[in-house]
Amino acid sequence: EAQVTQNPRYLITVTGKKLTVTCSQNMNHEYMSWYRQDPGLGLRQIYYSMNVEVTDKGDVPEGYKVSRKEKRNFPLILESPSPNQTSLYFCASTPFGGRSYNEQFFGPGTRLTVL
Amino acid sequence: TQLLEQSPQFLSIQEGENLTVYCNSSSVFSSLQWYRQEPGEGPVLLVTVVTGGEVKKLKRLTFQFGDARKDSSLHITAAQPGDTGLYLCAQGMWGAQKLVFGQGTRLTINP
Repeated sequence: EAQVTQNPRYLITVTGKKLTVTCSQNMNHEYMSWYRQDPGLGLRQIYYSMNVEVTDKGDVPEGYKVSRKEKRNFPLILESPSPNQTSLYFCASTPFGGRSYNEQFFGPGTRLTVL
Repeated sequence: TQLLEQSPQFLSIQEGENLTVYCNSSSVFSSLQWYRQEPGEGPVLLVTVVTGGEVKKLKRLTFQFGDARKDSSLHITAAQPGDTGLYLCAQGMWGAQKLVFGQGTRLTINP
């Protein structure tokens, strides 16, 4: 089954404790991205990657890191989480064809709470 | 800053009624997508449009796109409880593989 998986689905942590949220897709998509979803703000892009070893900042990158060492994986790293990073996080992938209207396939989401 | 405004933000109606949700942009878009998101899941694509003035139908859902490519609407006929969810519009940006999302319309259809 074609899908995007994220782990963990739920995470409660404390300020300053480094964490990683994993994302994996099995559709051989070039483009992957991370979003955060907050009430009244919709989905905001954190980072994206056009292919292996190619990553760039989205609209709200502060406090986050990413890496793309393999095509299928795109982990999101919070080196020192803070309460304002409490949010619902989504990973998405899409086949890259230079067009902005390709369908984005989303993972099920990770609900993060930073105390 | 590109803005994509959806209205209303919340809508609660009875089963069988019709409804319309709007999506307006501060700039011309290269493409526009509508997604639906259910609790505990990620958004799922409903439709994509790239041509101004286009109308697309998906069963009881009708999507219209403004001639000026700055606005869109989603109309649901005879709403059913299964239509309940968060509806998101997303605007494609010229020359970039990037989507800008509206804040969403949370729709509740009561039996």
